[in-house]
Amino acid sequence: EAQVTQNPRYLITVTGKKLTVTCSQNMNHEYMSWYRQDPGLGLRQIYYSMNVEVTDKGDVPEGYKVSRKEKRNFPLILESPSPNQTSLYFCASAWRGVFGANVLTFGAGSRLTVL
Amino acid sequence: GNSVTQMEGPVTLSEEAFLTINCTYTATGYPSLFWYVQYPGEGLQLLLKATKADDKGSNKGFEATYRKETTSFHLEKGSVQVSDSAVYFCALKETSGSRLTFGEGTQLTVNP
Repeated sequence: EAQVTQNPRYLITVTGKKLTVTCSQNMNHEYMSWYRQDPGLGLRQIYYSMNVEVTDKGDVPEGYKVSRKEKRNFPLILESPSPNQTSLYFCASAWRGVFGANVLTFGAGSRLTVL
Repeated sequence: GNSVTQMEGPVTLSEEAFLTINCTYTATGYPSLFWYVQYPGEGLQLLLKATKADDKGSNKGFEATYRKETTSFHLEKGSVQVSDSAVYFCALKETSGSRLTFGEGTQLTVNP
């Protein structure tokens, strides 16, 4: 089954404790992206990647890091989490055509709480 | 920059009622427009899309028409069901880019 898999789905952590949210897709998509979803703000893009070893900032990259060492994986790293990073996070991927990324396939989401 | 504005929610309807969720956008050029739906506890999934002016996207009884003159892409359904209860997101993508810009989302609840 074609899918985007995120882990963990739920996490409660404390301020300053480094964490990684993994994202893996099995569709051979070139494009991958991370979003955070907050009430009243919709989805905001954190980082995206057009292909292996190619990453770029989205609208809200502060406090996050990413890497794209393999095509299928795109982990989101919070080096020193803070309470304002409490959110619902979504990873998404897409086939990249001539005009950029096509329709996104989303993971099920990872709900992160930072105390 | 690009932006998408959706009607404020939440929206509560009775089963078989008519649904309209308004979406307007600001963008340069000729973006592609999308409606994504998020069912409880799940990620977003594409509901429908339109890639040029006057295109109509449709799926599962939902429709939206790309109106360049009013910069709108309103979502409609003639008769909603309880199973349509979800959050609906309007989004746009620039013609040559990869970034999607989302609206705030509209929570729809359909009561039996």
